[in-house]
Amino acid sequence: KNEVEQSPQNLTAQEGEFITINCSYSVGISALHWLQQHPGGGIVSLFMLSSGKKKHGRLIATINIQEKHSSLHITASHPRDSAVYICAVLANGQNFVFGPGTRLSVLP
Amino acid sequence: SAVISQKPSRDICQRGTSLTIQCQVDSQVTMMFWYRQQPGQSLTLIATANQGSEATYESGFVIDKFPISRPNLTFSTLTVSNMSPEDSSIYLCSGEGQGGTEAFFGQGTRLTVV
Repeated sequence: KNEVEQSPQNLTAQEGEFITINCSYSVGISALHWLQQHPGGGIVSLFMLSSGKKKHGRLIATINIQEKHSSLHITASHPRDSAVYICAVLANGQNFVFGPGTRLSVLP
Repeated sequence: SAVISQKPSRDICQRGTSLTIQCQVDSQVTMMFWYRQQPGQSLTLIATANQGSEATYESGFVIDKFPISRPNLTFSTLTVSNMSPEDSSIYLCSGEGQGGTEAFFGQGTRLTVV
């Protein structure tokens, strides 16, 4: 069993739809990151969470430490949101462990 | 939060040559890490770059193939040596701030070996 799992693996949505990507992990963590990887390979850090919820524009990220689960939501999705979204957990001060990623395609 | 500038963003290299990837942080970070993402795979830790001492490598990665430097708390390099097409991957650096809860990522380097 992988330490970090994501679902779904692939997601296709129509422009405007509300999108949810889930991440579950099995190790103790001190923080969780959501990363966005663009088709060209460039990686951007979207959120760093240690508790609760954060919002940035159309993106919302939540984490439940007790349930070892985090979600990334995209409201009013747009084709430019098409990317791979990666959940990365910082395992109690050690290095990061990465989820397999969720490939999102938003169709116009 | 810190910003990490990673260079180059992409390169195409001949087999047998070496490429050095740089990460410059705009503030001091306690830990820096190097990762690899092979095509279709998750990001995997290569090594922890320790300031002033030798890097700590994960199983399957060796210093002769991936020499790492960390001369100070704001800079690190990863060299991919004697490259083969199997080294074609995305390489990513990250830095960890004080307390171990803040982390920052470079933009990644897409390497193609031909």
